[in-house]
Amino acid sequence: GAGVSQSPRYKVAKRGQDVALRCDPISGHVSLFWYQQALGQGPEFLTYFQNEAQLDKSGLPSDRFFAERPEGSVSTLKIQRTQQEDSAVYLCASSLSSRPGAGWGNTGELFFGEGSRLTVL
Amino acid sequence: DQQVKQNSPSLSVQEGRISILNCDYTNSMFDYFLWYKKYPAEGPTFLISISSIKDKNEDGRFTVFLNKSAKHLSLHIVPSQPGDSAVYFCAAMKYNFNKFYFGSGTKLNVKP
Repeated sequence: GAGVSQSPRYKVAKRGQDVALRCDPISGHVSLFWYQQALGQGPEFLTYFQNEAQLDKSGLPSDRFFAERPEGSVSTLKIQRTQQEDSAVYLCASSLSSRPGAGWGNTGELFFGEGSRLTVL
Repeated sequence: DQQVKQNSPSLSVQEGRISILNCDYTNSMFDYFLWYKKYPAEGPTFLISISSIKDKNEDGRFTVFLNKSAKHLSLHIVPSQPGDSAVYFCAAMKYNFNKFYFGSGTKLNVKP
């Protein structure tokens, strides 16, 4: 399809396992974001890429979280040694604009994927 | 510290009536605001936005109002339809930054 695609949709991991979550943004979208959404909460910012450059990773909760976008398209969020508090829906979003929020127009908004629901037992 | 707050977790409205969803923010540097709509098992989808140079933006049945002095925005849906039943998130950001801050959402139920 033409939207943002995320996989897997559901992942169950045992505490201590490593997981990798994949995001295929909309073709040609420059900006890519990862958000974490805990149950009953709004999405919380994790990290931001402009093409292959990770410009902001201030939201990553610990050094167990790592994200990459090596060729400026597909991105992977990796969580090492998962903990129960990592259980959440991980949302990926992309935007055509290189600076969402600058130069207002409909290119300023984010297009979200369906999310990857991670459950850590 | 939550910078964007939606204090009503749920709202129930009769079909055909007006739905008003509220959002408050604490950071006076925010200058772009958006509303997203989310159905179960789907990602949020963009609904409407407003920049701080305006106090109102309309798109069909949806109108967003911004009160900068009160640091408050609201989304009006008129008339409400059962298909509008979803969780609505407001989001805010600062110009030239790339971080959107989201509220915790309001679940709207439009009764037929």
